[in-house]
Amino acid sequence: EVQLVESGGGLVQPGRSLRLSCAASGFTFDDYAMHWVRQAPGKGLEWVSGISWNSGSIGYADSVKGRFTISRDNAKNSLYLQMNSLRAEDTALYYCAKAAHDSSGYYYASFDYWGQGTLVTVSS
Amino acid sequence: SYVLTQPPSVSVAPGQTARITCGGNNIGSKSVHWYQQKPGQAPVLVVYDDSDRPSGIPERFSGSNSGNTATLTISRVEAGDEADYYCQVWDSSSALYVFGTGTKVTVL
Repeated sequence: EVQLVESGGGLVQPGRSLRLSCAASGFTFDDYAMHWVRQAPGKGLEWVSGISWNSGSIGYADSVKGRFTISRDNAKNSLYLQMNSLRAEDTALYYCAKAAHDSSGYYYASFDYWGQGTLVTVSS
Repeated sequence: SYVLTQPPSVSVAPGQTARITCGGNNIGSKSVHWYQQKPGQAPVLVVYDDSDRPSGIPERFSGSNSGNTATLTISRVEAGDEADYYCQVWDSSSALYVFGTGTKVTVL
């Protein structure tokens, strides 16, 4: 059974940093690209970042480019999101999601498994 | 940037058919994926690559995509289908994933 479990969320002041983690199990982690998707309270889904199986290709939404860094450790079956210079508008539930098909990049994917999310609240 | 537009809400009686549209410039040239999200839960993939269903998704869920509009069709709607639905594409021009604005389906 595929499981994705996010952690690391919490309340943080504007301008500070936070690191999210996603522990994956139930599939061959290093065969698949992985993604972070967020959802602000009462709002829709927003793709944040994606990373290919070997970290060779990485992409970010314009809203987080230069502030957030995605990474993965295939030996630990884990995905990470380092979030710096946090803003109030980064407040959201952050989901880890698995690409549905194995491929060389992180592009053109649908997301077939999602974690339950970790809540990030940016407020003074 | 690429924009996907969905109606905010769709209402349907049990047993009838719900159609949820997703509008985007020449969306027919892209692969469209659809997600169902119930309150307090993570999204679930219900249709991928325009019209394919993941295992475990009922045949009542189907998709189509042509021109400037993709459509998710839910046949024989049940109370359990009440949820928010989002379309999603990969926009190669901007190298971004884009989600639609979301549609709340209400079963009357």
